[in-house]
Amino acid sequence: GAVVSQHPSWVICKSGTSVKIECRSLDFQATTMFWYRQFPKQSLMLMATSNEGSKATYEQGVEKDKFLINHASLTLSTLTVTSAHPEDSSFYICSAPIRGGNSNQPQHFGDGTRLSIL
Amino acid sequence: LAKTTQPISMDSYEGQEVNITCSHNNIATNDYITWYQQFPSQGPRFIIQGYKTKVTNEVASLFIPADRKSSTLSLPRVSLSDTAVYYCLVAPSNTDKLIFGTGTRLQVFP
Repeated sequence: GAVVSQHPSWVICKSGTSVKIECRSLDFQATTMFWYRQFPKQSLMLMATSNEGSKATYEQGVEKDKFLINHASLTLSTLTVTSAHPEDSSFYICSAPIRGGNSNQPQHFGDGTRLSIL
Repeated sequence: LAKTTQPISMDSYEGQEVNITCSHNNIATNDYITWYQQFPSQGPRFIIQGYKTKVTNEVASLFIPADRKSSTLSLPRVSLSDTAVYYCLVAPSNTDKLIFGTGTRLQVFP
């Protein structure tokens, strides 16, 4: 079953709207979560690392004021696309590693959020 | 993080064994090799992970030669539902950060 839940699964909104996407870890705590963006027929691009209780770490070229990340609890990270425009339309995916056992545990991914900005 | 190179695409027929090879010439001593599968409009799903030699689970096998500069994901007797993109990732044990390469788009035909 799904261990990382992402919501909503799809959203359509007008240009200029801010959109919040939630990523929840189910039955485990995630001090770190990751956010990716994927355009059609392309690979996943890591946007940022979400850190519980501290600021997110953004990858080069990702605007932190555009993509606000909040990780206020051990089971929830949110990504807010502020003042979204058509070029922000994409598939957004989150992931979280499950701790325990050896290091470098595989990650569990949410099922993604399809964002369409009109 | 070590860069990986995979074929862009592969075709197969149902019932055949599919082997997808990934090159990672700059793999470091503490790097693990992990493969993920992604269906359209879904997040990636973990398939298998290994460090050296051979690893097998209920869905796949992973072959890693002694020099670890490449790895091969083997899918036995593929079905139509195995049509997906397969990503090979290499990352050290002390980080959870994953950098995805281009992946291999596998198309299985009836």
